Amino acid sequence: DAGITQSPRHKVTETGTPVTLRCHQTENHRYMYWYRQDPGHGLRLIHYSYGVKDTDKGEVSDGYSVSRSKTEDFLLTLESATSSQTSVYFCAISGGRQPQHFGDGTRLSIL
Amino acid sequence: GQQVMQIPQYQHVQEGEDFTTYCNSSTTLSNIQWYKQRPGGHPVFLIQLVKSGEVKKQKRLTFQFGEAKKNSSLHITATQTTDVGTYFCAAALISNFGNEKLTFGTGTRLTIIP
Repeated sequence: DAGITQSPRHKVTETGTPVTLRCHQTENHRYMYWYRQDPGHGLRLIHYSYGVKDTDKGEVSDGYSVSRSKTEDFLLTLESATSSQTSVYFCAISGGRQPQHFGDGTRLSIL
Repeated sequence: GQQVMQIPQYQHVQEGEDFTTYCNSSTTLSNIQWYKQRPGGHPVFLIQLVKSGEVKKQKRLTFQFGEAKKNSSLHITATQTTDVGTYFCAAALISNFGNEKLTFGTGTRLTIIP
């Protein structure tokens, strides 16, 4: 598997608290992505990055922000978590117009 | 935005039976990709189809891309317990930044009855 590490793997938190998920890669790929996966919806793109400090919105970006200060790390932040953001979050990387490789996911529960 | 419909949502088959999942897009696609996700796992890339009418095979798996590049299918012959999982199609849209943004179908969850 591609060198992608997501942390934490599991998190339970309360509504209104900030949450940051981390994606770390060792492949030196330019592109990184955050998806959420919910039953009946497949995977939906939240945000993606096309370089250090360069990011763009996906189809479900409301309530989420991202940052990429170095090539290997892509952070996803929920500024004030809501129960609707309970989901499994996947990070993915790619070398451009190449298949995406996914991390193991973070299971986030917001009570 | 782009929409990708995938059917069926679930499929239960006896081991040894065939399985097919279908993917339909509202727009013409530049390419379509297929991923497999084992229970509790992460999506894993299987294949990419680019050309109109393209057919590709991987052992017992056959992937097709429609002539109009709006639909695709994945067929598994003689299913085995190792085929269990959810199969996703993903429509690729080329971004302004040189990468592909994927719109995933809702997936077909395959379970095998031994």
